[in-house]
Amino acid sequence: AQSVTQPDIHITVSEGASLELRCNYSYGATPYLFWYVQSPGQGLQLLLKYFSGDTLVQGIKGFEAEFKRSQSSFNLRKPSVHWSDAAEYFCAVGNTNAGKSTFGDGTTLTVKP
Amino acid sequence: DARVTQTPRHKVTEMGQEVTMRCQPILGHNTVFWYRQTMMQGLELLAYFRNRAPLDDSGMPKDRFSAEMPDATLATLKIQPSEPRDSAVYFCASGYSTDTQYFGPGTRLTVL
Repeated sequence: AQSVTQPDIHITVSEGASLELRCNYSYGATPYLFWYVQSPGQGLQLLLKYFSGDTLVQGIKGFEAEFKRSQSSFNLRKPSVHWSDAAEYFCAVGNTNAGKSTFGDGTTLTVKP
Repeated sequence: DARVTQTPRHKVTEMGQEVTMRCQPILGHNTVFWYRQTMMQGLELLAYFRNRAPLDDSGMPKDRFSAEMPDATLATLKIQPSEPRDSAVYFCASGYSTDTQYFGPGTRLTVL
């Protein structure tokens, strides 16, 4: 069965600092991997996705993520965080057969001025 | 800019009442998902449909919850009778097969 682990429940960074959110997955085949962001009171929005090809994926809002098969990881990064990035971030792995995704428990990002 | 729409956005009801939540998926998407989000349980998949047929509803309490897609433009999630523990935000999402899911704004349900 597929699963996703986001080890960090809550992360606080200073505005302008770099950010890395961790995601580890378990899936038998080549996974489809996603990062979503949820701002307070809103639904989830896709930041980026990996299906195949280049393991470094660029997304919206200056985010990127790197797929590392050997580590079963898909960590999200941003070089310089803005106050508007404060939100909850979800990593998800897609089931290529069933067509549904399994979501991690989320990481809440707080940005200090 | 195509979006998933959900109605109502907020619903307050009393225990025992029937609640119906509606979702209009993005035109052309063939997969529709229903999720429930709470502080305690996080994001839970309740059910999902492919080409209007239910594929998996194992996450849904069968005795009180039901999900349907009367047509390609409408998905419904019904709770009857509702209980206080059903209070949550319910999200609908649509997508095409295994690709990205596009989430609606959610229905915030409060059962008193």
